[in-house]
Amino acid sequence: DVKVTQSSRYLVKRTGEKVFLECVQDMDHENMFWYRQDPGLGLRLIYFSYDVKMKEKGDIPEGYSVSREKKERFSLILESASTNQTSMYLCASSLRARGRGHQLNQPQHFGDGTRLSIL
Amino acid sequence: AQSVTQLGSHVSVSEGALVLLRCNYSSSVPPYLFWYVQYPNQGLQLLLKYTSAATLVKGINGFEAEFKKSETSFHLTKPSAHMSDAAEYFCAVTSKTSYDKVIFGPGTSLSVIP
Repeated sequence: DVKVTQSSRYLVKRTGEKVFLECVQDMDHENMFWYRQDPGLGLRLIYFSYDVKMKEKGDIPEGYSVSREKKERFSLILESASTNQTSMYLCASSLRARGRGHQLNQPQHFGDGTRLSIL
Repeated sequence: AQSVTQLGSHVSVSEGALVLLRCNYSSSVPPYLFWYVQYPNQGLQLLLKYTSAATLVKGINGFEAEFKKSETSFHLTKPSAHMSDAAEYFCAVTSKTSYDKVIFGPGTSLSVIP
């Protein structure tokens, strides 16, 4: 089974702090994702990485950055935390979609999430 | 842009009753669709995915979903609800710009009444 591990389940930080959320996957997946989950809004993509050192902005990248120095690890960085970044953060990984037909819909595998509170 | 709507943010059913969770997508190209479930304090787990091999897709825990192109729908059903089915359910569709990314619906919270 694929395992996606997020370093913290709960985290409390103060406004203005630099915050690091870490995610590790053990299945050699090319793709990794960071989402935030807020009630009524579903999951919104913050950043996507399709290879080491490669990244792509998602729908809500403002106030965030990412780092992918190794294939198995994808870090989310809040440069200067603000209260509106209080949320549940979910990391996911997947195989690259390639080929045709069912090979194009590779499911994402999720970690258990980090509930981040910014005070 | 692709979008997913889920009718009903909260659905309550009695134990043993039929579960029906609705999902409609907008897509101008053949979509790839997923249903995920999220139990309290956990991440999302894949319930099932539409592969275009069959319009009726069977997933884990007795759930199934039917793809109806004419209605742009992919509703999730289970004949008999169990208490352990109480969770948040998300429908998702692959992004039009990249098969690697998906667009999630807002989710439906399912409660099961004993």
